[in-house]
Amino acid sequence: GESVGLHLPTLSVQEGDNSIINCAYSNSASDYFIWYKQESGKGPQFIIDIRSNMDKRQGQRVTVLLNKTVKHLSLQIAATQPGDSAVYFCAEKEYAGGTSYGKLTFGQGTILTVHP
Amino acid sequence: NAGVTQTPKFRVLKTGQSMTLLCAQDMNHEYMYWYRQDPGMGLRLIHYSVGEGTTAKGEVPDGYNVSRLKKQNFLLGLESAAPSQTSVYFCASSYRVNPTINIQYFGAGTRLSVL
Repeated sequence: GESVGLHLPTLSVQEGDNSIINCAYSNSASDYFIWYKQESGKGPQFIIDIRSNMDKRQGQRVTVLLNKTVKHLSLQIAATQPGDSAVYFCAEKEYAGGTSYGKLTFGQGTILTVHP
Repeated sequence: NAGVTQTPKFRVLKTGQSMTLLCAQDMNHEYMYWYRQDPGMGLRLIHYSVGEGTTAKGEVPDGYNVSRLKKQNFLLGLESAAPSQTSVYFCASSYRVNPTINIQYFGAGTRLSVL
């Protein structure tokens, strides 16, 4: 799986399968996490986010799980479709002491390929 | 709404030339950012702005300058382009409504080659 700051892994799945993309983070002070999807030649697109006081959050066909004990984040995509093929990035935000701005640190991403 | 718009989409420069990348957002966002994306690396923050008239350095600011004269625009300047600045540049913006949440919305990118 992906780790914020390391190499780019790949995941190949068949259409209709469920996909799980992993992300490890190292900063225990991070209080917010976010997943982006980036299709070839396009900018990153927001998928789903989660605060550190939550373990799970669901969206449309996507679920994000957060395990703070082992500093691990995952993105689950249900019934993966060819249109889901893209690079998926996780990002973490360090607690900013109550101020409004907190820098996002992005991982390199995971390449998801969905075969028809 | 167009969201975040970047111009130009592509540009080729010679070493030593200067140029300005323009970012415009129509979402009334307070925060704006400039990132660069290189193969095999995550997005790296160049400069950011927390409001009109304010800018700050990010992770890789050397060789770049920025200005935010209007809330909706954030300009990235390269005064003397170098081959190491060949990259894809992304602009992003976000709301200032919650100290925790920071959903950044990205433009389509500018592909810059410096020869």
